[in-house]
Amino acid sequence: GESVGLHLPTLSVQEGDNSIINCAYSNSASDYFIWYKQESGKGPQFIIDIRSNMDKRQGQRVTVLLNKTVKHLSLQIAATQPGDSAVYFCAGIGYTGKLIFGQGTTLQVKP
Amino acid sequence: DAGVTQSPTHLIKTRGQHVTLRCSPISGHKSVSWYQQVLGQGPQFIFQYYEKEERGRGNFPDRFSARQFPNYSSELNVNALLLGDSALYLCASSLSHGTYEQYFGPGTRLTVT
Repeated sequence: GESVGLHLPTLSVQEGDNSIINCAYSNSASDYFIWYKQESGKGPQFIIDIRSNMDKRQGQRVTVLLNKTVKHLSLQIAATQPGDSAVYFCAGIGYTGKLIFGQGTTLQVKP
Repeated sequence: DAGVTQSPTHLIKTRGQHVTLRCSPISGHKSVSWYQQVLGQGPQFIFQYYEKEERGRGNFPDRFSARQFPNYSSELNVNALLLGDSALYLCASSLSHGTYEQYFGPGTRLTVT
């Protein structure tokens, strides 16, 4: 079946360090992935996306890496700040053409 | 520019009641999708509407229904509420049904007692 899942429910990092949030997917037909950030009491906020014809995409302080061989993608946040504390979701496009979300990783930034 | 708006923000209902949730998409967006997010989990797809027509439906019972209006706003209706329907209901808008990039509203927190 189709699914996406995150490896760790919680990740704790020191302010200023780099964060890496991992995600695995089972649907090999998925050709598009999105990372969302969800702060408490708010809806998910688009961070960055990547298509399957790419291995890497960079944004402002964020990088997404896609490894289609092992069906794995990661979100890297450089110089993590307290404002980065949130729940992060990876989402992929399933065979229905609709977004399938993982369960989320809570990122805690220690001052 | 206004983002996706949803109303109400919070809602408390009792089992067996009916609820209507509302969503206004970003100006210029013609597609609206609804998601249910249970505490501690990722959002689950319920419906997608484009040009007033249903373009996709997730694995939810017939108690869940939705519609889209000519101004592209949308309503999600849930009948015969169950305790398990307690969740954050999210609306997301996109330019069209084939556009993957979706923008989410703040959600409606529904509590069923």
